[in-house]
Amino acid sequence: DAKTTQPPSMDCAEGRAANLPCNHSTISGNEYVYWYRQIHSQGPQYIIHGLKNNETNEMASLIITEDRKSSTLILPHATLRDTAVYYCIDVPQAAGNKLTFGGGTRVLVKP
Amino acid sequence: NAGVTQTPKFQVLKTGQSMTLQCAQDMNHEYMSWYRQDPGMGLRLIHYSVGAGITDQGEVPNGYNVSRSTTEDFPLRLLSAAPSQTSVYFCASSRVTGRLAKNIQYFGAGTRLSVL
Repeated sequence: DAKTTQPPSMDCAEGRAANLPCNHSTISGNEYVYWYRQIHSQGPQYIIHGLKNNETNEMASLIITEDRKSSTLILPHATLRDTAVYYCIDVPQAAGNKLTFGGGTRVLVKP
Repeated sequence: NAGVTQTPKFQVLKTGQSMTLQCAQDMNHEYMSWYRQDPGMGLRLIHYSVGAGITDQGEVPNGYNVSRSTTEDFPLRLLSAAPSQTSVYFCASSRVTGRLAKNIQYFGAGTRLSVL
């Protein structure tokens, strides 16, 4: 079973920031927070990951609380192409290629 | 750049038939895995491999076999297809490298399988 909890859906206005929350109630010290997204009918796509510090890349920013029990993925300027299902996943350092997906958050970016 | 290539893209089978879903990657990744995704749900891990000759079961392995004879290829075999195996199948590959033990999984475009 998935270890993370996300809201099932949310809407966002095009051009505005989208803040996607995730709860990691059982995360352990050796687990990283990963975010992937899945645009309709395509394979999931990696977005960003972090351990305990905030991270930023060309796609998004990741904010992890100090106790690591929650994280927020920020899409700074949402576009229509960002409409997708977003998954947050706790991944042990030694997990290799084993990901446990939950239901994710279905994000709809509206014009 | 090909990345992860899955074939076929679509397949219809009759109950009891067997088939092999192909997956190939050209990134020299050690890790490969197979997931299935049922409508409206997240992906579930079927089988995975940490290198040529090494495979292990994931969350939902029943009814599926895998082998990994080369680094590049990781085929998934359905021995006797059942309607419950109607799903979208995704193959992924990755390696651990660099800062923050970066382990990005690259997914193929998927194979849509219907079992009648």
